[in-house]
Amino acid sequence: GAVVSQHPSWVICKSGTSVKIECRSLDFQATTMFWYRQFPKQSLMLMATSNEGSKATYEQGVEKDKFLINHASLTLSTLTVTSAHPEDSSFYICSARVIAGWSYEQYFGPGTRLTVT
Amino acid sequence: DAKTTQPTSMDCAEGRAANLPCNHSTISGNEYVYWYRQIHSQGPQYIIHGLKNNETNEMASLIITEDRKSSTLILPHATLRDTAVYYCIVRGLAGYGGATNKLIFGTGTLLAVQP
Repeated sequence: GAVVSQHPSWVICKSGTSVKIECRSLDFQATTMFWYRQFPKQSLMLMATSNEGSKATYEQGVEKDKFLINHASLTLSTLTVTSAHPEDSSFYICSARVIAGWSYEQYFGPGTRLTVT
Repeated sequence: DAKTTQPTSMDCAEGRAANLPCNHSTISGNEYVYWYRQIHSQGPQYIIHGLKNNETNEMASLIITEDRKSSTLILPHATLRDTAVYYCIVRGLAGYGGATNKLIFGTGTLLAVQP
């Protein structure tokens, strides 16, 4: 299957600082990318959907000013957690999607573990 | 909300077939059944998807009932590395807008392969 990478794989930051996470589709172009968040022992929760060159669409309850998403190209999307607080500590996972006939192919990155101290 | 129901957990002996059930009684005609799995602390991995016919690939087989209200994912020879949470997700056809096009994860089934 196709490969999606994330960088960094883990990050520790101090409360009040901002953190940027990169997501890249390495061997395909993704028209749509997604960002998920996962707390310990819970399932993945979709945060936002982004299409290349347009503004991201956020799920209900996700603060768009806190979680800034930029989808500058068909192979790169970034998530910036602004003014991070300990409650933002989580596992952030990106995903990239392409259309294949009548269905989708969607692949996930390995995740980024964010710890805010 | 997820449109599927899966058992919380299952055990399987190493080398045996693992059969993971999923109920999706409200599935509509323009929705596929997708299966992903997540090994601890990793991103989800695509396994297989189908619309109404049974599907097989190098990882697994997907059996969909004729009425499409349930399906079973079959791992033919489970290994310890197959221990993971398996998610069954219903998703709309490409080109259809709205929430049904997104991968919305439920709680999944924790498959524990025993030596």
